[in-house]
Amino acid sequence: GENVEQHPSTLSVQEGDSAVIKCTYSDSASNYFPWYKQELGKRPQLIIDIRSNVGEKKDQRIAVTLNKTAKHFSLHITETQPEDSAVYFCAARNTGTASKLTFGTGTRLQVTL
Amino acid sequence: DAGVIQSPRHEVTEMGQEVTLRCKPISGHNSLFWYRQTMMRGLELLIYFNNNVPIDDSGMPEDRFSAKMPNASFSTLKIQPSEPRDSAVYFCASSFPSGRTDTQYFGPGTRLTVL
Repeated sequence: GENVEQHPSTLSVQEGDSAVIKCTYSDSASNYFPWYKQELGKRPQLIIDIRSNVGEKKDQRIAVTLNKTAKHFSLHITETQPEDSAVYFCAARNTGTASKLTFGTGTRLQVTL
Repeated sequence: DAGVIQSPRHEVTEMGQEVTLRCKPISGHNSLFWYRQTMMRGLELLIYFNNNVPIDDSGMPEDRFSAKMPNASFSTLKIQPSEPRDSAVYFCASSFPSGRTDTQYFGPGTRLTVL
């Protein structure tokens, strides 16, 4: 089955700096890669996603890149703000498993003033 | 839409007791997922349903866990008997996979504590 690895497990950046979180996946058939943000005590919420026919996608301060050849994808947050502090999860899904997502282990991002 | 609804939000029980968690997916969604989240193991998929049919239950830890989806608007996750190691936050999520979107929407979770 699919295996998703996520790094780093913790990340501390100063407000205004950029943050990058990286994930790798094992199944070359995976074609959908969402990113979820989970604030303390809250539910995971989708913040951005990308499909395998696209190399990059942006939404304001957030961008995701995908390298299908290397089987890795990354989340980039620019101009970080304290409210970006949360745990971020990447995930992968392939057509063979219908709706099933395989999640990474999460990255705890701390944005300091 | 109210989003995915879960009940109870918090459950404290004693070891050996039966626990039933409930979930109402978003209306119109045809896929439903049960996840367990702990600090040690992260976010684990326990089971998921498509059109009320269990598709993959390989994540269910053992026979003490069972899940049902009797109709499109209701699902339960039951633990019998419960053990302290079952303490976790249990999330239910739903989605409507299509060519345009596959977003899974999570419920608020049930925090289970087994003493």
